[in-house]
Formats: sequence, structure tokens, C-alpha cells
Amino acid sequence: KAGVTQTPRYLIKTRGQQVTLSCSPISGHRSVSWYQQTPGQGLQFLFEYFSETQRNKGNFPGRFSGRQFSNSRSEMNVSTLELGDSALYLCASSIRDREDHEQYFGPGTRLTVT
Amino acid sequence: KQEVTQIPAALSVPEGENLVLNCSFTDSAIYNLQWFRQDPGKGLTSLLLIQSSQREQTSGRLNASLDKSSGRSTLYIAASQPGDSATYLCAVNEAAGNKLTFGGGTRVLVKP
Repeated sequence: KAGVTQTPRYLIKTRGQQVTLSCSPISGHRSVSWYQQTPGQGLQFLFEYFSETQRNKGNFPGRFSGRQFSNSRSEMNVSTLELGDSALYLCASSIRDREDHEQYFGPGTRLTVT
Repeated sequence: KQEVTQIPAALSVPEGENLVLNCSFTDSAIYNLQWFRQDPGKGLTSLLLIQSSQREQTSGRLNASLDKSSGRSTLYIAASQPGDSATYLCAVNEAAGNKLTFGGGTRVLVKP
């Protein structure tokens, strides 16, 4: 079974631009969560989508948004990029039923804002 | 607000020694706890998941325990190998759903 895939793997953007990251979950997984990892703040939860609906949201500004499609693929968008948005963005997928919430992570997208 | 702490932040051991990694959390109302491994610049690899009703989980050389009442989990890695060198992260999943709160990680170096 293929793992979680994320595209692109690397991105360089300029301050003020916007960016869209994509995540394809493991087949059969309907939940996709997004996390930001920085050396200073560690891993922080951004949001979770399940059945095309946002179920949980972390403490990030409204510049960070996401969506999920009917095939469970998810995209994350960051508008008006700031230097502090440079980070490794990880997505995770899970089945999310009553018994199973184990999360599986993709390789991440490394975003550099200059 | 849930807070997860991992001590020590870094650990260096000779090959063959057993590793003991600690994780503590402030709110015992968790759904499960997951241990991950992260190699430099890579994503996270799930090692073990312990449901809140379980006391421990084992996989090969890895054993993780959970004591919800004291807010602690410990990951044991037996007979460490240089390939075990990585950062190990614990994360708690709150009862509300798939929202993992991570510790800062323990960076492990196993010297040959």
C-alpha cells in the first residue's frame, strides 16, 4: 500500500506571495491533518480535515487555510507569506474510526520564504 | 492546554546499551499516545501507538509503557544499534479527535 505523498517536496517563495501544498493520504484513509515543524516551535498542529470538513484547528492565523476533496486528497494554502512561515510542512493521514486513530506521516514539504 | 515534555533533549550511548526515553504530559484526558522516529530532514515514522486503555505496547526491540494517571510514557529500545540514531518524538492525541500535541523530541546518537 502506498504511503502518504506530499507535493512539492521543496519550495522557495518570496515574502508576500502565496503557496499551495498538496497531500495524498493512504488509500482508504479519510482524515488528513497538517503540521508545521520549525526549529524554534517544534511540531505544531494546523488543522484536520475529515470527509471534506475541517474538524479541528490549531492556533494559526487565517492566512493558513486548507481544504479536502471528495477523494480525501487535501491542500493547504498560505497567503501573504512571511519569513517566519519557513518550515517543514507535514501532513498525516488516518482512518479515524472509533478504534483506530493511528496517524501516518508523509515526507513533508520544505518551504523557504525569502 | 495539553503540554508534552521529553527529557533529555539529547542522549548519546554506546552501541548495545539499552535506551530509555521519557515523555510526560499534563492532561490525562488523552485518546492515545504515539511514538515516532524522525531522521534529519525527513518525515515521521510511526513506531508504536498505545491506546489510553492500554499499559504497554511492544514491537521487536521496542517497548512503550503508558501511565495515564501520572501523565507519563516511556519508550525502551533494547540493544541499541547505530541505525537507531534519530530524533524520537512522542505525541498525545486528545479525546476530541486527530489533533496530536508533540513533545520537543529526544535526539539519540548511538556510537559504534
